[in-house]
Amino acid sequence: DVKVTQSSRYLVKRTGEKVFLECVQDMDHENMFWYRQDPGLGLRLIYFSYDVKMKEKGDIPEGYSVSREKKERFSLILESASTNQTSMYLCASSLPQAYIYEQYFGPGTRLTVT
Amino acid sequence: RKEVEQDPGPFNVPEGATVAFNCTYSNSASQSFFWYRQDCRKEPKLLMSVYSSGNEDGRFTAQLNRASQYISLLIRDSKLSDSATYLCVARGAGNMLTFGGGTRLMVKP
Repeated sequence: DVKVTQSSRYLVKRTGEKVFLECVQDMDHENMFWYRQDPGLGLRLIYFSYDVKMKEKGDIPEGYSVSREKKERFSLILESASTNQTSMYLCASSLPQAYIYEQYFGPGTRLTVT
Repeated sequence: RKEVEQDPGPFNVPEGATVAFNCTYSNSASQSFFWYRQDCRKEPKLLMSVYSSGNEDGRFTAQLNRASQYISLLIRDSKLSDSATYLCVARGAGNMLTFGGGTRLMVKP
């Protein structure tokens, strides 16, 4: 059974704090993604990685960075959290190229920045 | 204008009803399309792919109309367990997925 896990289900941080969101997948997938999901806006891609140490910006990378030191782990970093980064963060993984449409998502981290 | 647009709903239907959702996309270069399902407080999961010729999976039928740039999902004989948010997804030329905002379906007994 495929599995994507995220380090926290709920997180509350203060403005200006550095925040780390961790994601681990056990499917040996090449691709990993970070999205945020906001009501009415759907899922928006923040960053993705198609290989270890590789990363590409998505549609809304501002204020975020990522790290992929191992194939199974993809971290999202909020350098200085702001209230407009309050959101549900979803990590996903997939096989490469033609199979990119079948993404497996983690349960999400609901982040509140106060 | 959003690249993939959906009516947010909710669509409230009785058990056994047939319900259809539409989704429109603005990027004519979009290569392929999919429906994902997201249960309340859960992660999205792939439901089915959408082909121009239509794609049927049990009670679910997905259709693509490239000329009018819309995708549809038809659910026949609705079950309580079909209650969820349905996300319309387009795959672009860069291979990335663009998600719509989702349409919420509530099936009532």
